[in-house]
Amino acid sequence: QVQLQESGPGLVKPSETLSLKCAVSGYSISSGHYWGWIRQPPGKGLEYIANLFHDGTAYFNPSIRSRVAVSVDTSKNQFSLQLRSVTAADTAVYYCARGPGGDQDWFDPWGQGTLVTVSS
Amino acid sequence: QSVLTQPPSVSGAPGQRVTISCTGSSSNIGAGYGVHWYQQLPGTAPKVLIYGNINRPSGVPDRFSGSKSGTSVSLAITGLQAEDEAYYYCQSYDSSLSAWVFGGGTKLTVL
Repeated sequence: QVQLQESGPGLVKPSETLSLKCAVSGYSISSGHYWGWIRQPPGKGLEYIANLFHDGTAYFNPSIRSRVAVSVDTSKNQFSLQLRSVTAADTAVYYCARGPGGDQDWFDPWGQGTLVTVSS
Repeated sequence: QSVLTQPPSVSGAPGQRVTISCTGSSSNIGAGYGVHWYQQLPGTAPKVLIYGNINRPSGVPDRFSGSKSGTSVSLAITGLQAEDEAYYYCQSYDSSLSAWVFGGGTKLTVL
């Protein structure tokens, strides 16, 4: 079955760029589906960040769109997230997931998540 | 402030039935966008429980069910069990924001 695994630094300094990767196994990214990023600040709810297709088509949460970049590496079957100019408010568990592929779609399955702390 | 509104907490005794509401507006639930429910057990990633308002993925017990009425949807859990204690989130799409959105989450406590 499809499995996702996030990786990246657990600590990022304020004003720097947060970079995460999500490795996908059990499914070829280039075969289709959208792939997404979601985050959850400690003790808080879920927030959609962005989702992308293997051809580079991407959608973003308008609230953070100006600081987000996403990309796909089909050769490594993984996709990436970059969040620029981070502050303490960006401290969260970051999840990658499959989907959503349309306005009726959902996120499934999810990676286990990775905690990123923004601190000097 | 979440676009989709959920009660912060609900509780029930083992064996009882509880419902969790998710209220939206004409730009999301009322516009006909599907609502999906996730269960997040302590220290784990969310897992989809219900998709498309009423559908259960294989492996999800039929104790979990979804319903929709107007701009609100509900998740019902019958025969409450201790392992149901978790956070539950609803999710949909909002045409005004042009983004996928989540409810604020509801903590279910099994008494």
